[in-house]
Amino acid sequence: EIVLTQSPGTLSLSPGERATLSCRASQSVSSSYLAWYQQKPGQAPRLLIYAASSRATGIPDRFSGSGSGTDFTLTISRLEPEDFAVYYCQQYGSPWTFGQGTKVEIK
Amino acid sequence: EVQLVESGGGLVQPGGSLRLSCAASGFTFSSYWMHWVRQAPGKGLVWVSRINSDGSSTNYADSVKGRFTISRDNAKNTLYLQVNSLRAEDTAVYYCARGGWYSSSQGDYWGQGTLVTVSS
Repeated sequence: EIVLTQSPGTLSLSPGERATLSCRASQSVSSSYLAWYQQKPGQAPRLLIYAASSRATGIPDRFSGSGSGTDFTLTISRLEPEDFAVYYCQQYGSPWTFGQGTKVEIK
Repeated sequence: EVQLVESGGGLVQPGGSLRLSCAASGFTFSSYWMHWVRQAPGKGLVWVSRINSDGSSTNYADSVKGRFTISRDNAKNTLYLQVNSLRAEDTAVYYCARGGWYSSSQGDYWGQGTLVTVSS
């Protein structure tokens, strides 16, 4: 089983700042089967990024993903008030595993 | 519009059983892998189980193997999770999620979840 480790656990930033979230895998993720999700309190996860760098339908271009192999990054170029949430990375090679999450909070 | 609506959660005693349902609409349900994912209160996302498009292939997390059974009825556009021998650590919100046409696909749509509470 591929273990995903996200860092940092919490990111304290102000609106307008850049957020950089990291996800490291215990072994190489096949064919970049790596996704990122956003979850707000009381809501279901929402798909942001798949295949490491492709934005899902309707996702603003301030969200971008990069990386390959074992190291992946989600970048939010300029934080909007609605972006403060918990973010999870996921590998969907076989089957699914998730990182433990990074909380982006208002500083 | 793709919609997934879970139901069937509730309060159950340790050792008890429930059947969770996920009603799908807005897409060709019979073409997609489907998944169950759970989230304990204040914790992260944990994959539970998956089923292929025709129901002939299933997989489970080790923590639920032998106790949970995933199934689907493509005629009713509904996904199920039979949960037996429940333990306190099974307390969680259970989400259904749509996979893809292939086993290695991300979850592009998720339901709002149904809460299962295991307590005496």
